[in-house]
Amino acid sequence: GENVEQHPSTLSVQEGDSAVIKCTYSDSASNYFPWYKQELGKRPQLIIDIRSNVGEKKDQRIAVTLNKTAKHFSLHITETQPEDSAVYFCAASMSGSARQLTFGSGTQLTVLP
Amino acid sequence: EAGVAQSPRYKIIEKRQSVAFWCNPISGHATLYWYQQILGQGPKLLIQFQNNGVVDDSQLPKDRFSAERLKGVDSTLKIQPAKLEDSAVYLCASSPVQGRSYEQYFGPGTRLTVT
Repeated sequence: GENVEQHPSTLSVQEGDSAVIKCTYSDSASNYFPWYKQELGKRPQLIIDIRSNVGEKKDQRIAVTLNKTAKHFSLHITETQPEDSAVYFCAASMSGSARQLTFGSGTQLTVLP
Repeated sequence: EAGVAQSPRYKIIEKRQSVAFWCNPISGHATLYWYQQILGQGPKLLIQFQNNGVVDDSQLPKDRFSAERLKGVDSTLKIQPAKLEDSAVYLCASSPVQGRSYEQYFGPGTRLTVT
């Protein structure tokens, strides 16, 4: 089955700096890669996703890049703000009726004011 | 639209007791997932339903866990008997099966503590 590895496990940045979280996946058939943000005690919420026919996607301060050859994808947050502090999870999924998500182990991002 | 509802939000039981969790997905979402999220880890899929049929339960510990989705809407997940290592947050998620949407919408979860 699919295996997703995520690093770093913790990341501290100064407010206004950029943050980068990286994930690798094992199954070359995976073609959908979402990123979820989970605040303490809250549900995971989708913040951005990318499909395998696209190399990069941006949404305001958030961007995701995908390298299918190397089987890795990354989340980039620019101009970080204290409210960006949370745990971020990457995930991978294949198309078809299943569309199951395999999650990474999470990155605790702390934005220092 | 209303989100995914789960109850209870918190549950404390002793080992060897039984417990049940309930999930009501977003209206019209045919696919329903149960995940187990142990503290400090990412969610792990336990079982996936499409309508009232099981798509995948390969990671469900069937000797103690069971789940059903009668009538293809609400779902219940049961643990009997519970073990200490079952302490986790149990997340329910739903997704529309048609079209290009892959997004899964998560409920608030049920935090289970087994003592």
